[in-house]
Amino acid sequence: DAGVTQSPTHLIKTRGQQVTLRCSPKSGHDTVSWYQQALGQGPQFIFQYYEEEERQRGNFPDRFSGHQFPNYSSELNVNALLLGDSALYLCASSLVGPGNTEAFFGQGTRLTVV
Amino acid sequence: GDSVTQMEGPVTLSEEAFLTINCTYTATGYPSLFWYVQYPGEGLQLLLKATKADDKGSNKGFEATYRKETTSFHLEKGSVQVSDSAVYFCALSAGQNFVFGPGTRLSVLP
Repeated sequence: DAGVTQSPTHLIKTRGQQVTLRCSPKSGHDTVSWYQQALGQGPQFIFQYYEEEERQRGNFPDRFSGHQFPNYSSELNVNALLLGDSALYLCASSLVGPGNTEAFFGQGTRLTVV
Repeated sequence: GDSVTQMEGPVTLSEEAFLTINCTYTATGYPSLFWYVQYPGEGLQLLLKATKADDKGSNKGFEATYRKETTSFHLEKGSVQVSDSAVYFCALSAGQNFVFGPGTRLSVLP
């Protein structure tokens, strides 16, 4: 089991550009959540996808959007990049169901906006 | 909204010292509580968890007890090793997403 995999591992973009990050969940998991971790801070919840729909959203602007595919993999898109979007973006996968509290995190994508 | 507060550190200890990292939370419901660890350049790894009051989570010599009366989930280890050097995050989950604390950087010196 490869666990949660994210690509790319590092990315450098210019202000104003658009970026797409990708995540493959752990085998058997059906839910993908995205987090933004700024340097020296804890991860902040962006949104969660289940059954190909956005189910929950944190306090992030509409420039942040996502998608979940039938195979449960997911993309995070950020438009009109700002310098402040520079961060580690983490994907977490989990399985919906009573008593399922655990999430598994990927290694993250380090995005640098210059 | 829900929130997590933890001592921000950095915490520097000598090998074999006792470790405590304090964590308190605010939540409207009855969340599950977690400690995650992040090694340099890596993602988050679950260290331990507790899903209800008075539960004790433990793993690799670390332990934490879910204290509802004090809304706390302090992380402890009796004897730290150099390999424990990392950033530790306290987190809660009342549904499917997590609320994290700011993290505590631990450095263990030989």
